[in-house]
Amino acid sequence: DIQMTQSPSTLSASVGDRVTITCRASQSISSWLAWYQQKPGKAPKLLIYKASSLESGVPSRFSGSGSGTEFTLTISSLQPDDFATYYCQQYNSYALTFGGGTKVEIK
Amino acid sequence: QVQLQESGPGLVKPSQTLSLTCTVSGGSISSGSYYWSWIRQPAGKGLEWIGRIYTSGSTNYNPSLKSRVTISVDTSKNQFSLKLSSVTAADTAVYYCARPQLSGSDAFDIWGQGTMVTVSS
Repeated sequence: DIQMTQSPSTLSASVGDRVTITCRASQSISSWLAWYQQKPGKAPKLLIYKASSLESGVPSRFSGSGSGTEFTLTISSLQPDDFATYYCQQYNSYALTFGGGTKVEIK
Repeated sequence: QVQLQESGPGLVKPSQTLSLTCTVSGGSISSGSYYWSWIRQPAGKGLEWIGRIYTSGSTNYNPSLKSRVTISVDTSKNQFSLKLSSVTAADTAVYYCARPQLSGSDAFDIWGQGTMVTVSS
C-alpha cells in the first residue's frame, strides 16, 4: 500500500492566517490526490481533486498543489468555518489510502 | 441529486458478521459507470478504505481486510452492501458509503451520513 503522511497533525491558527498542510506519499502518485475537510460528526467533504482542481462550490481560498510524492493544501485566509480536520487521499493505486489528518484549531 | 444512506445494526457481537446496506436515492446506481465504495473511521481516528464495487459486480478490496470482506450490489433495489466477517473490537467504527465525483476517479464527492457500528458482547 502507498502510505500517506500528513504534517502537522495539529495546527493552531487565527482567523485571517495563511495555512499550509503537507501530504507526502511513500511513492509517486502522479497527481491522483484529493483533499477533504471533516467536521465533528459529519462525513468528509471533498475540497480538491487531482491535486489542484477545486471542487465545485468550494471557496477559492482553498488551493492545492504538488505532484509525485509531495503535496500541499493552502487556505489563503482562514475563516471561522475552516476550523476542522483535513485529510489527503491518494487514488493512484489500490488500496486507496488516506493521510492521518491535520486538525486546524483556533489559536 | 444523488444521496446515500447507510443502514444496518448498530451493535454486533465479536466473531459475528457485520452487515450494512447503502441505499442510493436521487439516481440509478447503474448510471454513470461509477464504482461505489465503503470507508470506515474509528472514533477519533483516520479514514480507512474498505473496498468498492461496480454495478457489474466487479470488486476491489483493501488487502488488509480482503479475507473478511464481501461487497455486493443489488441494482433492482438501488443498493450495495458490505459484509465483514469475524469482527472484533477493532472493527468498531463509523462506516460510510461513498461515490466518486467522476467515473474512473476515486475522489469522493458524495458520502452517506455514516452509521456507527459497535462490536461488543
